[in-house]
Amino acid sequence: GNSVTQMEGPVTLSEEAFLTINCTYTATGYPSLFWYVQYPGEGLQLLLKATKADDKGSNKGFEATYRKETTSFHLEKGSVQVSDSAVYFCASRGQAGTALIFGKGTTLSVSS
Amino acid sequence: EAGVAQSPRYKIIEKRQSVAFWCNPISGHATLYWYQQILGQGPKLLIQFQNNGVVDDSQLPKDRFSAERLKGVDSTLKIQPAKLEDSAVYLCASSLAGGGGTNEKLFFGSGTQLSVL
Repeated sequence: GNSVTQMEGPVTLSEEAFLTINCTYTATGYPSLFWYVQYPGEGLQLLLKATKADDKGSNKGFEATYRKETTSFHLEKGSVQVSDSAVYFCASRGQAGTALIFGKGTTLSVSS
Repeated sequence: EAGVAQSPRYKIIEKRQSVAFWCNPISGHATLYWYQQILGQGPKLLIQFQNNGVVDDSQLPKDRFSAERLKGVDSTLKIQPAKLEDSAVYLCASSLAGGGGTNEKLFFGSGTQLSVL
């Protein structure tokens, strides 16, 4: 079945550092891929998504590119802020109408 | 617009007791999901409803967990009897229509944090 694997955390960075959180997927067919973010005390929110190979999702300075050849969807940001401190979840969704499959989450902590 | 509402926010019970969680999805959303998020792990789907029908409950431990969405709007998830390993955050999510494209956006509630002692 479908699954998502993302890098273990926590990731600790200084403000303005470059961020990469790795995510790889296994799936039958071509899933849609997502990054969700969970800020402290809040619910999960969609950060960005990509629905087909070579698509790039972007939002709030974050980017991720759907790479079919490496089955990856790594999250990147060129300059992180303290306010980016949160837990980030990579997720996939296969056939129409099926539920999201989540990775275990990566905690990001950014200090000033 | 109002988001997905869940209650209670926190619940502490002893093992073998019963507990129920409530979810009110965004108005007009046909699809409702219950996820279980154990500390340090990603959310795991328990059950998916399309209106008042069950689409996927393959990962729901049916010997102790039950869920219903009788009128196709709000939903309750029950655990009876609870075990220590049920300690988790229970998330409810909704989307406009589950049968649409694979990029259908899910909206999540803040969750109910359950501690089983």
